[in-house]
Amino acid sequence: AQTVTQSQPEMSVQEAETVTLSCTYDTSENNYYLFWYKQPPSRQMILVIRQEAYKQQNATENRFSVNFQKAAKSFSLKISDSQLGDTAMYFCASASRGGAQKLVFGQGTRLTINP
Amino acid sequence: DAGVIQSPRHEVTEMGQEVTLRCKPISGHDYLFWYRQTMMRGLELLIYFNNNVPIDDSGMPEDRFSAKMPNASFSTLKIQPSEPRDSAVYFCASSFRGAAFFGQGTRLTVV
Repeated sequence: AQTVTQSQPEMSVQEAETVTLSCTYDTSENNYYLFWYKQPPSRQMILVIRQEAYKQQNATENRFSVNFQKAAKSFSLKISDSQLGDTAMYFCASASRGGAQKLVFGQGTRLTINP
Repeated sequence: DAGVIQSPRHEVTEMGQEVTLRCKPISGHDYLFWYRQTMMRGLELLIYFNNNVPIDDSGMPEDRFSAKMPNASFSTLKIQPSEPRDSAVYFCASSFRGAAFFGQGTRLTVV
């Protein structure tokens, strides 16, 4: 069974600072995807970044990057030069790459960017 | 593509009534997911389909919940009869090769 764990219920940083959100996961699959989603107050779920487990290179999308440690089953999200608009709930998720692609989410981290 | 489209955006109903939530996935996506989000339980996967076939409905809380996907462009989640504890935001998402895209959700309130 897949499980995803986010151990930080809430985080708060000042605008322009760098913040790292933690995520660990467990899966018996060899081939899988990992994701970070953002949910602002509008409640829309937005895909922030995706990592394929067979790729060693960490994914980056502008100010967002991940630190993927496959052996440790760790997948953290780094937000550089944080902005007020980054305030949101952030969810880590995993899905098997083959077979039944069940998408499983962590509990979420509420991130507040302070002016 | 317009993205995943859910209707209605908001639904208020009385306890005991039937509620039907609708979802149109992104064209070409082969997976469709229904999630429920509450403050207490977070995001729960209720059921998901692959190529219109239900794969895993183990997250459906009770027999009062049912979901169908009659074709690749439409799915419904039905609650009959509804109860106040069903109040939540219900999301539909579709995916292709892993990355899932979500609709804007239906906020259901059962009074």
